[in-house]
Amino acid sequence: EIVMTQSPATLSLSPGERATLSCRASQSVGSNLAWYQLKPGQAPRLLIYRASTRATGIPATFSGTGSGTEFTLTISSLQSEDFAVYYCQQYDNWPPWTFGQGTKVEIK
Amino acid sequence: QVQLVESGGGVVQPGESLRLSCAASGFTFSAYGMHWVRQAPGKGLDWVAVISNDGNKKYYEDSVKGRFTISRDNSMKTVYLQMNSLRIEDTAVYYCVKDRWGGNFEYFDYWGQGTLVTVSS
Repeated sequence: EIVMTQSPATLSLSPGERATLSCRASQSVGSNLAWYQLKPGQAPRLLIYRASTRATGIPATFSGTGSGTEFTLTISSLQSEDFAVYYCQQYDNWPPWTFGQGTKVEIK
Repeated sequence: QVQLVESGGGVVQPGESLRLSCAASGFTFSAYGMHWVRQAPGKGLDWVAVISNDGNKKYYEDSVKGRFTISRDNSMKTVYLQMNSLRIEDTAVYYCVKDRWGGNFEYFDYWGQGTLVTVSS
């Protein structure tokens, strides 16, 4: 089973600031990495797939980079609606599909 | 637009059973794989089970193997999760999730809002 590790656990930032979230895989997953956003009471949302491709309707403020074992999700300028919990997921080697433990982006 | 609506959650005692349903709309249901993913209170996301578009391929997370069964009815555009011998550690919000592919599997492109299952004595 591939273990996904995210850092930091919590990111405290102000609106307009840049957020950088990291995700590391225990073995190479190539570019088979997705990012999801979770907000309380809402359906989770796919943000990025294939490590760097934005999903339909996702603004350009979200970008993903990386391959192999190291990945980054960047939110270039935080909007109020971006404060949420973010999860990375590998889909290279399944089952199981595995997620990181999440990074909470909170308002400073 | 794609909609996934879960139902069937509730409060049960350890050892009891529950069946979750997920009604899909807004896409060709019979063409895509479907997953169940859960989130225990205060915890992260855990994948539970997947079924292929035709129902012929099914995979389960180790802790639910032999207790949970995923199935689908393409005529009703519904996917199910039969949960038997429930344990306290099965307490979670259960999400119905659409896979990006059909005969094979990849990432998850649409999620439902979830249904809460509480296992408590």
